[in-house]
Amino acid sequence: QPVLTQSPSASASLGASVKLTCTLSSGHSDYAIAWHQLQPEKGPRYLMRLNSDGSHTKGDGIPDRFSGSSSGAERYLTISSLQSEDEGDYYCQTWGTGGVFGGGTKLTVL
Amino acid sequence: EVQLVESGGGLVQPGGSLRLSCAASGLTFSSYSMNWVRQAPGKGLEWVSYISSSSSTIYYGDSVKGRFTISRDNAKNSLYLQMNSLRAEDTAIYYCASSTSFDLQHWGQGTLVTVSS
Repeated sequence: QPVLTQSPSASASLGASVKLTCTLSSGHSDYAIAWHQLQPEKGPRYLMRLNSDGSHTKGDGIPDRFSGSSSGAERYLTISSLQSEDEGDYYCQTWGTGGVFGGGTKLTVL
Repeated sequence: EVQLVESGGGLVQPGGSLRLSCAASGLTFSSYSMNWVRQAPGKGLEWVSYISSSSSTIYYGDSVKGRFTISRDNAKNSLYLQMNSLRAEDTAIYYCASSTSFDLQHWGQGTLVTVSS
């Protein structure tokens, strides 16, 4: 069963870029993951599927400011030109014997 | 536009039961696998259960195995979660989510379940 590890928090200034990291456990570095956004008072929103080679497929209506990349067991979500509405919790997700979520990263836009 | 709308949440006593529903529109429901995911207060997302498009494959998380039952009615474009023997730690917002592969591509807004005496 893969385990996904995320930093609990991140912050960046309005208009800047931020790179969030999701790390796959040993033996699972070839797994694809998905990134989801959870905004305050809203349901989760699917951002993208991110493969081990860095290729990614975004969900409907996800702006170009959101991109993904990979390096080894690390999966990244980069958000550029940060806006206030980007503030929220970001979760990575994959599949083992069932769904697996990382612990989430709380993003603060300063 | 895909819409998933959960209902059936509420306040229930420990040991009680509740049945959640998820009404789907804007997608060919019978072609999608479906999942339940929950978020307890102050906690992260936790995957709860999965059902394949034809109901032939079902999985549960360890924390709900033996107490919760997932089902679907493709004729009614609906997903269900029967929750029995509820505990305080089942208190959470419950979301339904659709998938064609491992990734949960569409989500509902959630329904709140509170287990308390």
